[in-house]
Amino acid sequence: DAGVIQSPRHEVTEMGQEVTLRCKPISGHDYLFWYRQTMMRGLELLIYFNNNVPIDDSGMPEDRFSAKMPNASFSTLKIQPSEPRDSAVYFCASSFRMYTDTQYFGPGTRLTVL
Amino acid sequence: AQSVTQLDSHVSVSEGTPVLLRCNYSSSYSPSLFWYVQHPNKGLQLLLKYTSAATLVKGINGFEAEFKKSETSFHLTKPSAHMSDAAEYFCVVITGGGGNKLTFGTGTQLKVEL
Repeated sequence: DAGVIQSPRHEVTEMGQEVTLRCKPISGHDYLFWYRQTMMRGLELLIYFNNNVPIDDSGMPEDRFSAKMPNASFSTLKIQPSEPRDSAVYFCASSFRMYTDTQYFGPGTRLTVL
Repeated sequence: AQSVTQLDSHVSVSEGTPVLLRCNYSSSYSPSLFWYVQHPNKGLQLLLKYTSAATLVKGINGFEAEFKKSETSFHLTKPSAHMSDAAEYFCVVITGGGGNKLTFGTGTQLKVEL
């Protein structure tokens, strides 16, 4: 398996623009997680899905952020409108089960909002 | 409430000397504990995990950690540091108790000097 795939790897946009980050989890994994990493706040869990259903979105910072998982092999994280404080590295991870199984992380998307 | 504390934000060791990265947790339920490593500009990779089996857990690259319930600790050790160990290390706790809860520590940056 190719592992968790994220695109794009780098995104530079201007404040106010819509940004869409994409993730393809490992085939057969039931859980998908979106994280944000910044120097100030460290690694934060934004939302996770189980079998394509959002389970916990309490980490989503505000209504400008939304995430979807239309099928088992694809998820998106959208920011609209984007703001400079959204600049961060966004990671997607997947796991077979939540409790004890390893999470496999993608390489991340580095987002810069000017 | 659940929390993870990584006691040192930065650790510096000489190559060939032992490594100790400290992690303490608090949890109302029996936790699963993990250590992940993040090399520069990379996603996170699992080093090892504890899931209520043996309290001494061996991971990849010569790392191990011991779960000590009485001390609520899960410190990461390695007998002899290698230059390639330089990275950021995250301690993670997952508990159930009616709602999956995942918490990352703030990370420890390990520097290995010649």
